[in-house]
Amino acid sequence: AQTVTQSQPEMSVQEAETVTLSCTYDTSENNYYLFWYKQPPSRQMILVIRQEAYKQQNATENRFSVNFQKAAKSFSLKISDSQLGDTAMYFCAFMKEGGAQKLVFGQGTRLTINP
Amino acid sequence: DTEVTQTPKHLVMGMTNKKSLKCEQHMGHRAMYWYKQKAKKPPELMFVYSYEKLSINESVPSRFSPECPNSSLLNLHLHALQPEDSALYLCASSHRGAGPLNEQFFGPGTRLTVL
Repeated sequence: AQTVTQSQPEMSVQEAETVTLSCTYDTSENNYYLFWYKQPPSRQMILVIRQEAYKQQNATENRFSVNFQKAAKSFSLKISDSQLGDTAMYFCAFMKEGGAQKLVFGQGTRLTINP
Repeated sequence: DTEVTQTPKHLVMGMTNKKSLKCEQHMGHRAMYWYKQKAKKPPELMFVYSYEKLSINESVPSRFSPECPNSSLLNLHLHALQPEDSALYLCASSHRGAGPLNEQFFGPGTRLTVL
């Protein structure tokens, strides 16, 4: 079975700062996908960024980037130039390869961006 | 249209009631999911439908009965629920195939309260 661990229950930074959220996972699979989802207080879960395990290059989406270390089973999210709208719960998630599969979520990190 | 819609937004029901949650998507996705999310916790998978067939049931009690009438619709029928079933119920959809298009899109959820 796969497990996902987020070791930071809460984080708080000032607007415009850079923040890194940690995620580690455990799996025996070789091919899989990793995701960061954001759930703002309005509760709709939104995909922030995804990483295919077979890709060595780290994924980036505008201000969001990941540091994917496959051997270490680590998948951290870096948010640059943080904005007030980035305030949300962030979930790291794992999914096996192969069609319709369950997402295994970490416990989440509650991120607050202060003005 | 990249939206998953869920109705109702809020539902309050007694333990003897029968009610249904509805989820709809028009993105041509052939996989649909029900997740349950308790407060301050990550979503937990309940059911997966792939090509309108139930493919994963995470040992969910029979008082929850899923139904997928067509490729765009997913229902969750509720009967004889317990107060501990109170939670946010999230629907998601994705392309059925493996590969980078398999990200799950989430709806806003139905906040269920069982009295």
